[in-house]
Amino acid sequence: DAGITQSPRYKITETGRQVTLMCHQTWSHSYMFWYRQDLGHGLRLIYYSAAADITDKGEVPDGYVVSRSKTENFPLTLESATRSQTSVYFCASSDFLRTEAFFGQGTRLTVV
Amino acid sequence: ILNVEQSPQSLHVQEGDSTNFTCSFPSSNFYALHWYRWETAKSPEALFVMTLNGDEKKKGRISATLNTKEGYSYLYIKGSQPEDSATYLCAFKGSNYQLIWGAGTKLIIKP
Repeated sequence: DAGITQSPRYKITETGRQVTLMCHQTWSHSYMFWYRQDLGHGLRLIYYSAAADITDKGEVPDGYVVSRSKTENFPLTLESATRSQTSVYFCASSDFLRTEAFFGQGTRLTVV
Repeated sequence: ILNVEQSPQSLHVQEGDSTNFTCSFPSSNFYALHWYRWETAKSPEALFVMTLNGDEKKKGRISATLNTKEGYSYLYIKGSQPEDSATYLCAFKGSNYQLIWGAGTKLIIKP
């Protein structure tokens, strides 16, 4: 199916564990983004990527790692999960020329 | 620090009434202003991307205006319907091309 998909949709993990959230888009969009959404904060950018093998930090990158070896995939890894990383995570992509962003369904991550 | 502010934070509107809300953003280094509609348990969906001062965009009963010189945009909904209930987000794109998001206006339509 065309679009942008995130997996898993829900995840519970323990403090200190490594967890990876997956994001896959089928449009060959150049730009991909990871956001976290917390009550009272709206959407905050964690990392973004302008193309394969090009990534850059956003507003709240600490504790996260990303990679983009292929244009269509942009995984987000929490190397050692903390309770403060409990959040809803959204992946998005955009074709820079069009500028609007298309969002995945979100991943609700709970760190216990 | 770039700041995007939306007001009000939440809004209750009677079905059939018209309403509007505001997005304030930096007036310098402007590239684009986005409006998104975000329904509960779904993903944000783009409504408008506005790039020029004085832009007015319309989609059905929803329209938006843009003033880049003073740094604000209005979103209008005419004749509100229950399906308009959602959170409306605006996002500012500056010269670094990153989107800076407002916290949203939560709109609740009362039947």
